[in-house]
Amino acid sequence: DTGVSQDPRHKITKRGQNVTFRCDPISEHNRLYWYRQTLGQGPEFLTYFQNEAQLEKSRLLSDRFSAERPKGSFSTLEIQRTEQGDSAMYLCASSLDSSGAVYGYTFGSGTRLTVV
Amino acid sequence: SQQGEEDPQALSIQEGENATMNCSYKTSINNLQWYRQNSGRGLVHLILIRSNEREKHSGRLRVTLDTSKKSSSLLITASRAADTASYFCAMITGFQKLVFGTGTRLLVSP
Repeated sequence: DTGVSQDPRHKITKRGQNVTFRCDPISEHNRLYWYRQTLGQGPEFLTYFQNEAQLEKSRLLSDRFSAERPKGSFSTLEIQRTEQGDSAMYLCASSLDSSGAVYGYTFGSGTRLTVV
Repeated sequence: SQQGEEDPQALSIQEGENATMNCSYKTSINNLQWYRQNSGRGLVHLILIRSNEREKHSGRLRVTLDTSKKSSSLLITASRAADTASYFCAMITGFQKLVFGTGTRLLVSP
């Protein structure tokens, strides 16, 4: 598999529940990014990792959100005590260090979260 | 927050026509990239133009960049129904992460 995989594709959860998403990047890519996209908008940056180190977090990432990339391979994004405003598409992307700034990012198909 | 704004927000054309989308941005950039997104799917990288380049071609795509006006345009020539998608410009700034524009929804009718 040469692409970025995200699981699950869709998640419906009740308000107040916790959810966790997984992203498997391209294996040789060092950088992994999480974005959130609401309907009709462009993706908004949430956080990124270089290997296992989380280098930057957006102000959009409240304390209910946590992301990990424990061994520098796959990553998880957890949302605790979900709210209806968390409903969105969560996109993961990966890149080879600075080549992401040269050749672009590879995106997964996203996880669509619906909080009811 | 969005770094770029795209114009028009929506564009409807017939197959065979050309489609032009414009992107304006706010700060200095290292490069500017264009992505396509089919409905409900992830984004696909189309083309990248560096800040010291003015024009770039890839197949039916032509991108221009005017750093003095902080603007870029994407031209799709001889459009096809399969080009129907949302198109986003995205910028790499000094913070080394992509920041996206608001997008243009393109509809190409047979």
